Amino acid sequence: GQNIDQPTEMTATEGAIVQINCTYQTSGFNGLFWYQQHAGEAPTFLSYNVLDGLEEKGRFSSFLSRSKGYSYLLLKELQMKDSASYLCVATDSWGKLQFGAGTQVVVTP
Amino acid sequence: GAGVSQSPRYKVAKRGQDVALRCDPISGHVSLFWYQQALGQGPEFLTYFQNEAQLDKSGLPSDRFFAERPEGSVSTLKIQRTQQEDSAVYLCASSQNREGNLYEQYFGPGTRLTVT
Repeated sequence: GQNIDQPTEMTATEGAIVQINCTYQTSGFNGLFWYQQHAGEAPTFLSYNVLDGLEEKGRFSSFLSRSKGYSYLLLKELQMKDSASYLCVATDSWGKLQFGAGTQVVVTP
Repeated sequence: GAGVSQSPRYKVAKRGQDVALRCDPISGHVSLFWYQQALGQGPEFLTYFQNEAQLDKSGLPSDRFFAERPEGSVSTLKIQRTQQEDSAVYLCASSQNREGNLYEQYFGPGTRLTVT
């Protein structure tokens, strides 16, 4: 079957680093997105990996290993506004997205 | 420029009523997707259009759900004889995507449907 697993919740302090792991098992896999979703708002794009390796984008980095069915999102220098749900999302060649349930990151002062 | 818009933002329906949810994608975006998001969960795929063609409707939960995009732009998701389990946020997303050439999806603010 198709499955995307990520932790339910993570807590970290302002200025710290947090790594959100995601494992996936999907058919027709073509790439891995990470989206951020604040409560009551629409998901917004953070990153996209199609090849193995690390993609860095400011304070956020994302890693993909296709052979292991594994990705992580790294959030550095955490800020209070980073408190949100982070969605691990697999895509197929049509662009159809399959979402994980999301990891709620709570940033404390 | 304008993003994806959806209307209404909130809809309360009595069980058994029909509802219609509208999505205006970003101008020129070829692909349009509908998702259903239950509280505390990630969005679940419902259906996908490329221009006016509905290429995948495998996620529609029952034959009470119907989606259309007759002119390849605005889309409507219709739910007939609503049930309480239909209560969720319905998200619309659009992208420039063509097969083999992937772009990020831009999401609208969603329509929160509550069936009483």
